[in-house]
Amino acid sequence: QKEVEQDPGPLSVPEGAIVSLNCTYSNSAFQYFMWYRQYSRKGPELLMYTYSSGNKEDGRFTAQVDKSSKYISLFIRDSQPSDSATYLCAMSRRVDDKIIFGKGTRLHILP
Amino acid sequence: ETGVTQSPTHLIKTRGQQVTLRCSSQSGHNTVSWYQQALGQGPQFIFQYYREEENGRGNFPPRFSGLQFPNYSSELNVNALELDDSALYLCASSPSGGAVDTQYFGPGTRLTVL
Repeated sequence: QKEVEQDPGPLSVPEGAIVSLNCTYSNSAFQYFMWYRQYSRKGPELLMYTYSSGNKEDGRFTAQVDKSSKYISLFIRDSQPSDSATYLCAMSRRVDDKIIFGKGTRLHILP
Repeated sequence: ETGVTQSPTHLIKTRGQQVTLRCSSQSGHNTVSWYQQALGQGPQFIFQYYREEENGRGNFPPRFSGLQFPNYSSELNVNALELDDSALYLCASSPSGGAVDTQYFGPGTRLTVL
């Protein structure tokens, strides 16, 4: 079993829809949870960062962590064509530890 | 755009050759991490350099090696290239210790091994 599982998609949704992306993980030692966005031919860009369980909101983006279920989610409200990218979940045991990434989900927002 | 730069952008090599990839960290960052991202996969941690010393390594063989220089720029060297080494190689820089919320990725070097 991989440490981090993420459905690679692709996921296509109409503009304005709410997008739900998620990952599961197996290592209960993970404490730091991140979501990155990666456009084609670019490096990953950190979108959201959460420590331990709970919710975090930043504009149209909401990250949720449920450590009891080992499940994390990213919600995008009022999705825009510019949100079309690959979204990578990532996690780490300590703040200065290596980051373990999921495979990434390819998201297409249809105008 | 982050302040992390990588060179070259693209590279084509043949099996058995050696390659050196370069990374310039963002100003004020003394920690550099290298990742390998195969097509359709997430990045995989190769190793991290902090103040010119290796500071953690992932599951990569010794033919993957690195250096960090006094100006905190870094090199990734891969010897005896294999076809499976074809990937996007990313470096990420961060302030002291490499905190996960302050790592900034460069655009990557795409390596093709024929």
